[in-house]
Amino acid sequence: AQSVTQLGSHVSVSEGALVLLRCNYSSSVPPYLFWYVQYPNQGLQLLLKYTTGATLVKGINGFEAEFKKSETSFHLTKPSAHMSDAAEYFCAVSEGYGGSQGNLIFGKGTKLSVKP
Amino acid sequence: DARVTQTPRHKVTEMGQEVTMRCQPILGHNTVFWYRQTMMQGLELLAYFRNRAPLDDSGMPKDRFSAEMPDATLATLKIQPSEPRDSAVYFCASGLVQGDRGQPQHFGDGTRLSIL
Repeated sequence: AQSVTQLGSHVSVSEGALVLLRCNYSSSVPPYLFWYVQYPNQGLQLLLKYTTGATLVKGINGFEAEFKKSETSFHLTKPSAHMSDAAEYFCAVSEGYGGSQGNLIFGKGTKLSVKP
Repeated sequence: DARVTQTPRHKVTEMGQEVTMRCQPILGHNTVFWYRQTMMQGLELLAYFRNRAPLDDSGMPKDRFSAEMPDATLATLKIQPSEPRDSAVYFCASGLVQGDRGQPQHFGDGTRLSIL
């Protein structure tokens, strides 16, 4: 069965500093991995996804994530935080096959705060 | 950009009342998901439909919740009777699942429900 663990429910960085949000997954099939962002009073918005191929995936707003099979990780990074990056971030893994194909298993989320 | 549309955005009602939430998925998407988000439980999958057929509603309290898709452009989630513990944000998401687990889900902006 698939599962996702996000380390740290809250992360605080200074504006301009590196953002690193951690995600580890467990999957019985080759994983398809996603990062979503949720701004206040909005739904989840796709940041980036990994399916197959290049393990370093670039997304919107300057974010990227690297799939590391040996570490079962898919950490999200951004070189320089901006105030507008303050939001909640969710890592997700896609379920396998059959009827549950396309379902996402979400982590519990990490709230990112950006200090001026 | 195509969007998932949810109505109403906010709903406040008294315990025991019927609540109906509506969702218009993105045209062409064949799978519709209902989620509930609370501070305590995070994001929970309640039910989902593929090609309008219910595939799994094991996440829903069966005695009071019901989900339907009367047609391809409308999904509904009903609570009857409502209870204070149902207060949450309810999200609808849609996606295209055709033998590819990599298709992302697209979320609406949610219905913020408060049961007094």
